[in-house]
Amino acid sequence: GDSVTQMEGPVTLSEEAFLTINCTYTATGYPSLFWYVQYPGEGLQLLLKATKADDKGSNKGFEATYRKETTSFHLEKGSVQVSDSAVYFCALRVDNFNKFYFGSGTKLNVKP
Amino acid sequence: EPEVTQTPSHQVTQMGQEVILRCVPISNHLYFYWYRQILGQKVEFLVSFYNNEISEKSEIFDDQFSVERPDGSNFTLKIRSTKLEDSAMYFCASSASGGSSYEQYFGPGTRLTVT
Repeated sequence: GDSVTQMEGPVTLSEEAFLTINCTYTATGYPSLFWYVQYPGEGLQLLLKATKADDKGSNKGFEATYRKETTSFHLEKGSVQVSDSAVYFCALRVDNFNKFYFGSGTKLNVKP
Repeated sequence: EPEVTQTPSHQVTQMGQEVILRCVPISNHLYFYWYRQILGQKVEFLVSFYNNEISEKSEIFDDQFSVERPDGSNFTLKIRSTKLEDSAMYFCASSASGGSSYEQYFGPGTRLTVT
């Protein structure tokens, strides 16, 4: 079946450190891949997405590349800020279906 | 910027009681969804709703659950007789249309605690 596995948190980094949050997936069809972010007290917000293999999604300094050969969509940022502290969710959606399959979320804490 | 809102933010109820979680989707959206996240576990799809009927539901969404769009603005999730294992964060979402190219916008969630 379709599923997403992402690294467990929490991840604690100092400001300006490099961030990687790993995400791998299993899909029966041709999925689109997403990263959502949830800031405290807010809803899930779309951070970036990629709809086909080798696409790179990017937004606010975050990047993720859709790797079909390794079934991965790892989230990276070169220099994190305190304001990036949030919970990050990897998700997939298979073409022609509306529902998302989410990972369990990774909490990121960035210290000044 | 339009947003999805949910009320209440936290609901505490006793086992066996009925609970209704409320959502106001973005006004021109046509597709509505409920997801839930049990603490420490994945966010799971429950149900999608379009044109006043359920378009898809998961195996979690059994007869204890129902959804309704009682008026032009609200979208509700009812749990008829709550169990301890229904304790979770419930997220509502909406999208302008179906299909993978349309973003789903999520609300902040309602934390349901069943005692």
